[in-house]
Amino acid sequence: EVQLVQSGAEVKKPGESLKISCQGSGYSFTTYWIAWVRQMPGKGLEWMGIIYPGDSDTRYSPSFQGQVTISADKSINTVYLQWSSLKVSDIAMYYCARPKQQLVRDDAFDLWGQGTMVTVSS
Amino acid sequence: DIQMTQSPSSLSASVGDRVIITCRASQTISSFLNWYQQKPGKAPNLLIYAASSLQRGVPSRFSGSGSGTDFTLTISSLQVEDSATYYCQQSYNTPGTFGQGTKVEIK
Repeated sequence: EVQLVQSGAEVKKPGESLKISCQGSGYSFTTYWIAWVRQMPGKGLEWMGIIYPGDSDTRYSPSFQGQVTISADKSINTVYLQWSSLKVSDIAMYYCARPKQQLVRDDAFDLWGQGTMVTVSS
Repeated sequence: DIQMTQSPSSLSASVGDRVIITCRASQTISSFLNWYQQKPGKAPNLLIYAASSLQRGVPSRFSGSGSGTDFTLTISSLQVEDSATYYCQQSYNTPGTFGQGTKVEIK
């Protein structure tokens, strides 16, 4: 089955670091870009950044550049989203998503992970 | 970044009604426009890509049109299961910005 499976919900304190994951299976992982999308509680979808696991080429939205780091480990078909110092404003559901076409960065997302809820509270 | 603006922000319609949601881009994006449906607690689901192509498995009552800067998503005959929030997204360039969403409720 073609799928993206994300790591479980996280509860962290402000200032802590965090790395969440998205593992792909059932398809050629290294030839599809993977994006991260944020959804704050009760709000819309925000495109954060995207990575090509084949060579770790990464692009960020200006809104998220410097705020998060996206990385990949192609040996285990996994993409990561990490924070070095979480803020209360990082509370959100985070989705990973895959474009429809191989090798194409700018494309519709036809495959989504189930989402990872990140809660930040003192 | 390209800004995507949807209207209306919400609507209420009856089963069987024709529903139209519009999306406007801040610059021309050719036909690089996609539509998603999101139900509460679920990941978004792709409905329409490239402005008018129906994603496999999506009911034919959903259709998309437009090019350049103005686009529409039409539900030809609203069903109870169509209660959801709908988002447009441009894939003309990076970042692939989304509209703010349109919440569709059933009367």
